[in-house]
Amino acid sequence: EFVLTQSPATLSLSPGARATLSCRASRSLDSTYLAWYQQKPGQAPRLLIYRTSYRASGIPDRFSGSGSGTDFTLTISGLEPADFAVYYCHQYGDSPPYTFGQGTKLEIK
Amino acid sequence: EMQLVESGGGLVQPGRSLRLSCEASGFTFDDYGMHWVRQAPGKGLEWVSGINWSSTSRGYANSVRGRFTISRDNAQKSLYLQMNRVTTEDTALYYCTKDFGSSADWYFDLWGRGTLVLVSS
Repeated sequence: EFVLTQSPATLSLSPGARATLSCRASRSLDSTYLAWYQQKPGQAPRLLIYRTSYRASGIPDRFSGSGSGTDFTLTISGLEPADFAVYYCHQYGDSPPYTFGQGTKLEIK
Repeated sequence: EMQLVESGGGLVQPGRSLRLSCEASGFTFDDYGMHWVRQAPGKGLEWVSGINWSSTSRGYANSVRGRFTISRDNAQKSLYLQMNRVTTEDTALYYCTKDFGSSADWYFDLWGRGTLVLVSS
């Protein structure tokens, strides 16, 4: 079973800044099988990134994903007020169980 | 508009059973795998179970295997989760999610709003 570890647990930044969120896998993961979701309070998660670096429909290009092997990154450039939320990485493919990271809370500084 | 609407949550006593339902609309339901994902109060996301388009492949988290059963009715465009022998650890908001593909081993590109299950005596 894959374990995904996200860091930091909380990230405090100001609007306009650049956010870098990390997701580390317990063993090497095919980059085809890594996604990121955004969750705002009281809402369901929303798909942001799939296959490590592909933006989902309607996601602005200030969101980007990268990585390979065991280290994956979600970068948000030019933070806007709507971007402050909790972000989860997710591994799929291979065989179940599928797992999520514990989440990174992006908060306004 | 693609939509998933969950129902069936509520208060249930430990050791009892509950059945969750998810009704899909706005897409060809039987083309896609489906999943249940849960979120305990104030906690992160946990994948619970997934099923492929034809019900020939099902997967479960270790925490629910042997107690929960996922199923679907393509004619009714519905997904189900039969929860047996529930414990307080099963208290969570349960989300129904749509898989990108038919085999239930891809990412989740559509989420419902969830149905809350509270296990308490």
